[in-house]
Amino acid sequence: DIQMTQSPSILSASVGDRVTITCRASQSISNWLAWYQQKPGKAPKVLIYKASNLESGVPSRFSGSGSGTEFTLTISSLQPDDFATYYCQQYNSYWSSFGQGTKLEIK
Amino acid sequence: EVQLLESGGGLVQPGGSLRLSCAPSGFTFSSYAMTWVRQAPGKGLEWVSGISANGGSTYNADSVKGRFTISRDNSKNTLYLQMNGLSAEDTAVYYCARGRSASSSSDLTYWGQGTLVTVSS
Repeated sequence: DIQMTQSPSILSASVGDRVTITCRASQSISNWLAWYQQKPGKAPKVLIYKASNLESGVPSRFSGSGSGTEFTLTISSLQPDDFATYYCQQYNSYWSSFGQGTKLEIK
Repeated sequence: EVQLLESGGGLVQPGGSLRLSCAPSGFTFSSYAMTWVRQAPGKGLEWVSGISANGGSTYNADSVKGRFTISRDNSKNTLYLQMNGLSAEDTAVYYCARGRSASSSSDLTYWGQGTLVTVSS
C-alpha cells in the first residue's frame, strides 16, 4: 500500500500570507495526486488534480507542484475563506489513499 | 448538475450489519467508477472501497477487507456498501464519490453529503 504523509499537521498563518503544504508518498506515484479542501461538516472539495491542474472555479491563488514522491500545495495569499483542512490523495493505484490532513488555522 | 445522495446510515450494535446506498443523478452512472470514503469523528479521510464502471472490478482497503462489499446496480442507478462485522472503529461519516473520468483510479470530483454510521451498544 502507498502511504501518504503530509506536513505540517497544523499550520498557523495570517491573511495575506503565502503558505505551502507538503505531501510525500512512500513510493513514486508519478503525478497522480490531488489536493482537497474540507470545512467542518462539509464534504471535501477538489482543488488540484494530477499534481498541478487547477480545478475549474478554484481561485488561482491555489497551485500545486511536484512529481514522483514529493508534492506541494501553495496558497499565494491567504484569504479568510481558506482556513480549513487540506488533504492530499494519491490515485496512482486502484487502492487509493489520503494523507492525514493539514489544518490551516488563523494566527 | 451532478448530485450524489447517500442513505442507510444509523446506529448499529457491534458485530452487526448495515447497507449504505448512494443514488446519483446528473450523469450517466454506468460510465463512471465510484468510491466510498469515510471519516471518523474528528479524524481524517480514509479511502474505503472502489468499483469499476461495469462493476466487474472492486477494490477494498485492508481495514475493511473481508467485511465490506462494494457493489452497484447500473439498471437501478445505485451504488451500495454492504458492511458486516461492524466495530466501533467503523464509526464514521461515509461519503460516496465519483471520479473525474471513467477510470477506476481517479481524483474524486464529486462527493455526496455523507451518511453517519455509529457502531455502539
